[in-house]
Amino acid sequence: EAAVTQSPRSKVAVTGGKVTLSCHQTNNHDYMYWYRQDTGHGLRLIHYSYVADSTEKGDIPDGYKASRPSQENFSLILELASLSQTAVYFCASRDSNYAEQFFGPGTRLTVL
Amino acid sequence: GNSVTQMQGQVTLSEEEFLFINCTYSTTGYPTLFWYVQYPGEGPQLLLKVTTANNKGSSRGFEATYDKGTTSFHLQKASVQESDSAVYYCVLGGFDLPGTGSNRLTFGKGTKFSLIP
Repeated sequence: EAAVTQSPRSKVAVTGGKVTLSCHQTNNHDYMYWYRQDTGHGLRLIHYSYVADSTEKGDIPDGYKASRPSQENFSLILELASLSQTAVYFCASRDSNYAEQFFGPGTRLTVL
Repeated sequence: GNSVTQMQGQVTLSEEEFLFINCTYSTTGYPTLFWYVQYPGEGPQLLLKVTTANNKGSSRGFEATYDKGTTSFHLQKASVQESDSAVYYCVLGGFDLPGTGSNRLTFGKGTKFSLIP
């Protein structure tokens, strides 16, 4: 059974619209992360969280917000979607005692 | 800052040939080095971890080694199969993100491996 799930798996949004991507983990991990993947760039960190009700900025946070309402759930919010935010988004979780991050299957977002 | 350079964007081999993927990195301190693999339609998953203490790691027929002198680490497999077709990422880790002690991962751009049809 998948321990990190994401929804939706695919979404088409309009420029200027609001988009919310959701992540749920059953690993009982404290840390959760949001990355985006673009061709030729690998994965880049957008936001992360180490405890519920708290989020931190990663390397490329501009244009994104994050929300961690519980240990299990972590959302990525695009208030005003733009064309440049077309990408595949991955969520990950991590146990505080280990370095390995466990990734979800990704959400493909297309902004038109 | 930390950086990882993965020059090979794509590698294509025949079945049972030898696979070698190389990365170089730049950092201060003593990093942990990872290889993650991503199969089509899935998220990345950990393949191997190499610490600067042991210089080597192995899993599923893959071997990873690290050379502190040249700040490079590479992934190899003696005999590739169709099931190895995937994107391989070298990843630099082990650093704290500001304020939390959270682990920062820095990904290379990935090497897509496929078999010659």
